[in-house]
Amino acid sequence: AQTVTQSQPEMSVQEAETVTLSCTYDTSESDYYLFWYKQPPSRQMILVIRQEAYKQQNATENRFSVNFQKAAKSFSLKISDSQLGDAAMYFCAYMKNAGNMLTFGGGTRLMVKP
Amino acid sequence: NAGVMQNPRHLVRRRGQEARLRCSPMKGHSHVYWYRQLPEEGLKFMVYLQKENIIDESGMPKERFSAEFPKEGPSILRIQQVVRGDSAAYFCASSTRRGDHGELFFGEGSRLTVL
Repeated sequence: AQTVTQSQPEMSVQEAETVTLSCTYDTSESDYYLFWYKQPPSRQMILVIRQEAYKQQNATENRFSVNFQKAAKSFSLKISDSQLGDAAMYFCAYMKNAGNMLTFGGGTRLMVKP
Repeated sequence: NAGVMQNPRHLVRRRGQEARLRCSPMKGHSHVYWYRQLPEEGLKFMVYLQKENIIDESGMPKERFSAEFPKEGPSILRIQQVVRGDSAAYFCASSTRRGDHGELFFGEGSRLTVL
């Protein structure tokens, strides 16, 4: 079974600075997708960034980028130039290729200090 | 284009009552997924449906829980004889294709409180 682990229950960052959220996962599959979802206080889950396992290049979306280490099964999220609106719960998630189920980690609460 | 609509947003039930949660997927989406989030935890997959069919219910408890996605109308997650442990946020998501490589669109969730 696949598992996703986020070892940081809570992180804090100063506005305009950079923060990195950690995620590790376990799978026997070779073809899969990894994601970071954001859950603000409104509770709606919003897709931040997606990485395809067969791509070596790390995904980026504006201020958000990932460090994907396939051999180490590590998938961290870097948020640059942090903004107050980035404050939320962040969930790392996994889905095998052609699958229908997302497996989520336990989440990291990110606080942004003005 | 309206997003995934869930209602009610909040539902309070006493032990033993029934809870019905509704989900209208995004326009053009025929794939619906239900997830449950316990306090301070990540979302856990419950069930995946297409119109009139349950495709994967591997995350659904075997008793008291059922789901449907009829030809017309919203998807319904039904919990019979609720217990305190059913208190959670229930999220619905939809997509245009199976799994859609994880690009699911989520609703804002329905928070069930069992007294």
